[in-house]
Amino acid sequence: EPEVTQTPSHQVTQMGQEVILRCVPISNHLYFYWYRQILGQKVEFLVSFYNNEISEKSEIFDDQFSVERPDGSNFTLKIRSTKLEDSAMYFCASRYYGYTFGSGTRLTVV
Amino acid sequence: GDSVTQMEGPVTLSEEAFLTINCTYTATGYPSLFWYVQYPGEGLQLLLKATKADDKGSNKGFEATYRKETTSFHLEKGSVQVSDSAVYFCALSDQTQETSGSRLTFGEGTQLTVNP
Repeated sequence: EPEVTQTPSHQVTQMGQEVILRCVPISNHLYFYWYRQILGQKVEFLVSFYNNEISEKSEIFDDQFSVERPDGSNFTLKIRSTKLEDSAMYFCASRYYGYTFGSGTRLTVV
Repeated sequence: GDSVTQMEGPVTLSEEAFLTINCTYTATGYPSLFWYVQYPGEGLQLLLKATKADDKGSNKGFEATYRKETTSFHLEKGSVQVSDSAVYFCALSDQTQETSGSRLTFGEGTQLTVNP
């Protein structure tokens, strides 16, 4: 069964550094998403991406965040100048009809 | 805005016990409702869904009925197994997933542990 692949599974970064979280969505899917889950809290929507542009973003998705689909297969989330409160599990998802989620990247900012 | 509230966890049951995980929602329109499951070390997997009032979603022995009058979508299973141990998330989408956009709004998640 097709999968959404996320790398790395766990990343530790220093506060103030930039990180790029990578995702390979399912190839024939049209919509791409990033969600995050801070430990012990709800899974929260960050952004959706369709036709090579952002289609919707939440209030969390400020100028610190950006997304890109650089080569038609990867879908990346860049977090500039990371803060301690960015520590969370980040899930990528893609959708044709139903959603398929990746296993997540656990980001720890120290 | 839209919101989903799940019963607080964690929930610990013995094998073959009856499971109920409560979920209620607030939405302005006519949302689609979902239950997702996350097994250890894995991503979120769709367990079942319902797209309109009185629909019943079912899968792997789990059921949930879309109750518009009580704005609820409680998850039930008659006899749980050790392999059902996971985190369960209730979620809604403000459009059907067959249309564009369709962000998911999740509940807090409920950790279920089933002991042999």
